[in-house]
Amino acid sequence: EIVMTQSPATLSVSPGERATLSCRASQSVSDKLAWYQQKPGQAPRLLMYDASTRATGIPARFSGSGSGTEFTLTISSLQSEDFAVYYCQHYINWPPFTFGGGTKVEIK
Amino acid sequence: EVQLVESGGGLVQPGGSLRLSCAASGFTFSNYWMSWVRQAPGKGLEWVAHIKQDESEKYYVDSVKGRFTVSRDNAKNSLYLHLNSLRVEDTSIYYCARVPGSRLAIFDIWGQGTTVTVS
Repeated sequence: EIVMTQSPATLSVSPGERATLSCRASQSVSDKLAWYQQKPGQAPRLLMYDASTRATGIPARFSGSGSGTEFTLTISSLQSEDFAVYYCQHYINWPPFTFGGGTKVEIK
Repeated sequence: EVQLVESGGGLVQPGGSLRLSCAASGFTFSNYWMSWVRQAPGKGLEWVAHIKQDESEKYYVDSVKGRFTVSRDNAKNSLYLHLNSLRVEDTSIYYCARVPGSRLAIFDIWGQGTTVTVS
């Protein structure tokens, strides 16, 4: 089973600043990596897939990069609606599908 | 509008059973793999079960194998999860999610979730 590790667990950022979230896989997942955003009381929402492709309707301030075992989600200029928990998920060798533990982006 | 709506959650005693349902609309349900993903209170996301369009392939996380069964009715645009021998640790919000394909095995549409409490 591929283990996904996200860091940091919590990221404190001021509105307008850049946020950089990391996700590491225990073995290579090529570019088969997705990111999700979850706000309190809501279902997760797909942000990114294939490591760097934005899902439909996702603003350009969200970008993804990486391949193999190291991945990054960058939010270029945080808006108030971006404060949430972010999860990464691999989909290369399944089952199982595994998620990272999440990074909470909070207001500094 | 593409939509998934779960139902069937509730409070059940350990060892009990439940059937969760997920009603799909706004897309051709029979064209998609579907999954169930759960989230324990205050915790992260855990994939639970995955089913192919024609039910010919079904997959489960190890912790629910032999206890949970995923099924679907394409004529009714519905996905189901039968939960048996429930344990306290199965307490979670259960989400159904659409999966675009076997190679693009991401969860692109999610329902709002239904809460299962085992106590």
